[in-house]
Amino acid sequence: GAVVSQHPSRVICKSGTSVKIECRSLDFQATTMFWYRQFPKQSLMLMATSNEGSKATYEQGVEKDKFLINHASLTLSTLTVTSAHPEDSSFYICSAPPGDKSYNEQFFGPGTRLTVL
Amino acid sequence: GQNIDQPTEMTATEGAIVQINCTYQTSGFNGLFWYQQHAGEAPTFLSYNVLDGLEEKGRFSSFLSRSKGYSYLLLKELQMKDSASYLCAALDSNYQLIWGAGTKLIIKP
Repeated sequence: GAVVSQHPSRVICKSGTSVKIECRSLDFQATTMFWYRQFPKQSLMLMATSNEGSKATYEQGVEKDKFLINHASLTLSTLTVTSAHPEDSSFYICSAPPGDKSYNEQFFGPGTRLTVL
Repeated sequence: GQNIDQPTEMTATEGAIVQINCTYQTSGFNGLFWYQQHAGEAPTFLSYNVLDGLEEKGRFSSFLSRSKGYSYLLLKELQMKDSASYLCAALDSNYQLIWGAGTKLIIKP
């Protein structure tokens, strides 16, 4: 199956700093990528939909200015957590359906564990 | 509103069979997914159903009834490595995934 990578896999940062997380589709083009956040023992919560060539679509309650999303190419989307605080500590996961929009499967990245001190 | 319901936790014995149920209410429907997620890892794809009926894939099978808004994941010949959370997710009319909270499956020897 298709492969989605994420970098970094784990990051620890100080409160107030910004952290960038990359999501790449390695062997297919993804016009759309999804960013999720998962707190311990909870399910995935969709944060935003990243669209190549246009602005991201944010879910209700997700701050656009805090979670900056840039879909730079058909294989790369980045999520920047700006001015991170301890409550932003979570597991961030991206996913992508195949570029032909056959949504019968979504491929997940391995996730990024963010710890804000 | 849109909603996915599945049991919070289930326990089963190694070698046995377990069925994890999922009911859904969504705005439109474009299919239902089951994912497996081990602690600290991203979900991995198990199955996708869009038509009524049973899809079998090795030890895992998934069933869908669109008229009842109901699906189940059937795991046979349980192994200790099957201990994980199983996430049910429905694709709505906007092709957005609506996720259940997950069912934690505990396998006992």
